[in-house]
Amino acid sequence: DAKTTQPPSMDCAEGRAANLPCNHSTISGNEYVYWYRQIHSQGPQYIIHGLKNNETNEMASLIITEDRKSSTLILPHATLRDTAVYYCIVRVPPGNQFYFGTGTSLTVIP
Amino acid sequence: GAVVSQHPSWVICKSGTSVKIECRSLDFQATTMFWYRQFPKQSLMLMATSNEGSKATYEQGVEKDKFLINHASLTLSTLTVTSAHPEDSSFYICSAREAGAVQETQYFGPGTRLLVL
Repeated sequence: DAKTTQPPSMDCAEGRAANLPCNHSTISGNEYVYWYRQIHSQGPQYIIHGLKNNETNEMASLIITEDRKSSTLILPHATLRDTAVYYCIVRVPPGNQFYFGTGTSLTVIP
Repeated sequence: GAVVSQHPSWVICKSGTSVKIECRSLDFQATTMFWYRQFPKQSLMLMATSNEGSKATYEQGVEKDKFLINHASLTLSTLTVTSAHPEDSSFYICSAREAGAVQETQYFGPGTRLLVL
């Protein structure tokens, strides 16, 4: 079962920052938080992951709260191509499987 | 890097036939691959975990005799849907985890759309 909860949908104006929240209150100390996105009819695309420090790459930034019970994915300048379903995932030991929740459907508006 | 391919990208078959879907890691070795199924407007559902050289581990409610998984090499896993029926029509997606990687990032294939008539 998914260990995360996300809002079902969000809108963001093109060019603005998109901030996507995720709650993972039952996360354990050594479990990473992963973010993926799925554009319609494609396989999920890896975005970023983190443990407890904030992370940034060419796609996005990941802010993890100090208690690690929630995180926020930030797309700094959203474009129309960022319209997708965004999934926040905490892997489940011992097999480290990914169980997908319902994700957040982000719509970037021109 | 970290590219995963699937073949075929889509397939239409008659009810009662078997369909094989291939998942390949193109530029890395994967000791573990995963198979997911996604119905329209739903999230991905994990079907099974495939480990190279050993039997797959199936999630609760997934029939192992119907969804045969083989992971014979570090770059290839196959999913065979046996005696397919219309209710098996779905989007099947695989992912692969790099062998020896400290972090457990999964890289996903583009998916295979199966339509059973």
